Amino acid sequence: AQKITQTQPGMFVQEKEAVTLDCTYDTSDQSYGLFWYKQPSSGEMIFLIYQGSYDEQNATEGRDSLNFQKARKSANLVISASQLGDSAMYFCAIRAYSGAGSYQLTFGKGTKLSVIP
Amino acid sequence: DGGITQSPKYLFRKEGQNVTLSCEQNLNHDAMYWYRQDPGQGLRLIYYSQIVNDFQKGDIAEGYSVSREKKESFPLTVTSAQKNPTAFYLCASSPGTGLNQPQHFGDGTRLSIL
Repeated sequence: AQKITQTQPGMFVQEKEAVTLDCTYDTSDQSYGLFWYKQPSSGEMIFLIYQGSYDEQNATEGRDSLNFQKARKSANLVISASQLGDSAMYFCAIRAYSGAGSYQLTFGKGTKLSVIP
Repeated sequence: DGGITQSPKYLFRKEGQNVTLSCEQNLNHDAMYWYRQDPGQGLRLIYYSQIVNDFQKGDIAEGYSVSREKKESFPLTVTSAQKNPTAFYLCASSPGTGLNQPQHFGDGTRLSIL
């Protein structure tokens, strides 16, 4: 079974500053994928970024980057130059083999990010 | 625009009543999923379907049922056997169930008990 741990229930960041959201994972699989999703107060889940377990370079998407440290089983999300619209819940998730030829997502409990003007 | 449509946005259930949540996608995705989210929690998988006319139980399938008669549609029925149905329900889809395929989500349905 897979497990995701997000130890920061809430974070505050000043607008235009960078912020790191922590995520550690546990899996016995060698092949897996790591995902970050953003959930605004309206409720929809927005896919942000993906990192494969064999990817040697950290993934980047615009102002978002994933700091992947495989030996530490860590997949932190770094948001640079925070904007007010970044205020939301952020979920880390791992996708690994779950039997019957499929790979299922396991989510952490999330971190609530608040951007201060 | 391609996307996933969930309806209704809000739903109220009476004791002993079954209710059905709708999920439609026009992304031509093979795989579809239902998740439940409780306050302060992450998402938990209820059911998933990799292909039409096939579906599998997730981690918390008891008290729920699904069907997948069309590629575009994956309705979820919350039965009277589900004793604590109040939650936020999210439907998702992905091209397949491969390792690197992100799931795309609808806007969710909030279900409450009357």
